[in-house]
Amino acid sequence: QSAVTQPPSASGSPGQSVTISCTGTSTDVGTYNYVSWYQQHPGKAPKLVIYEVSKRPSGVPDRFSGSKSGNTASLTVSGLQAEDEGDYYCGSYAGNKGVFGGGTKLTVL
Amino acid sequence: EVQLVESGGGLVQPGGSLRLSCAASGFTFSSYAMSWVRQAPGKGLEWVSGISGGAGSTYYADSVEGRFTISRDSSKNTLFLQVNSLRAEDTAVYYCARGMKTIDYWGQGTLVTVSS
Repeated sequence: QSAVTQPPSASGSPGQSVTISCTGTSTDVGTYNYVSWYQQHPGKAPKLVIYEVSKRPSGVPDRFSGSKSGNTASLTVSGLQAEDEGDYYCGSYAGNKGVFGGGTKLTVL
Repeated sequence: EVQLVESGGGLVQPGGSLRLSCAASGFTFSSYAMSWVRQAPGKGLEWVSGISGGAGSTYYADSVEGRFTISRDSSKNTLFLQVNSLRAEDTAVYYCARGMKTIDYWGQGTLVTVSS
């Protein structure tokens, strides 16, 4: 099973922007546009914030945006707010399997 | 409103078995692929298994292939995961989730603890 790599931590001050990367391989992120991003707060289930690389579900603020280039996808959170603090995971379809990144802890300073 | 409610977790000895269930509501269950995703304590998410909407196709992570079996009963809007030959490293919160290419809704999870 492929490994998808995320930085373990990221941080920014309120109002700033932060970008989290998600590096996969040609068997997952690089091939499929089914890349999703999830936000997870302690003790809670993950919540979808970006799907199909750059689409936002209803109710997710437009401060959240996604992109992809080659084998690397990225999540950008603009205008950071305190409630954005939490763990962020990327997920990708990998041809009859799913794969997640190791997660990034986002701290709002 | 989409709701996914897991049950069936608990404490089990190494080598033991459990059957996890997920009651789905608020959407046409048979129209969606479904997945199980787990999260070990303090660790990240791991995709475990998926099943197509018609239940004709099932998929597994290498780490559970041959030990876990996913199934669904669309007449009861319920997803199942039979977990056998459990190991300490299977200890995790198991989430039921809607979708496979895109997972858009998650249940609250059920904790499986494998320990003697």
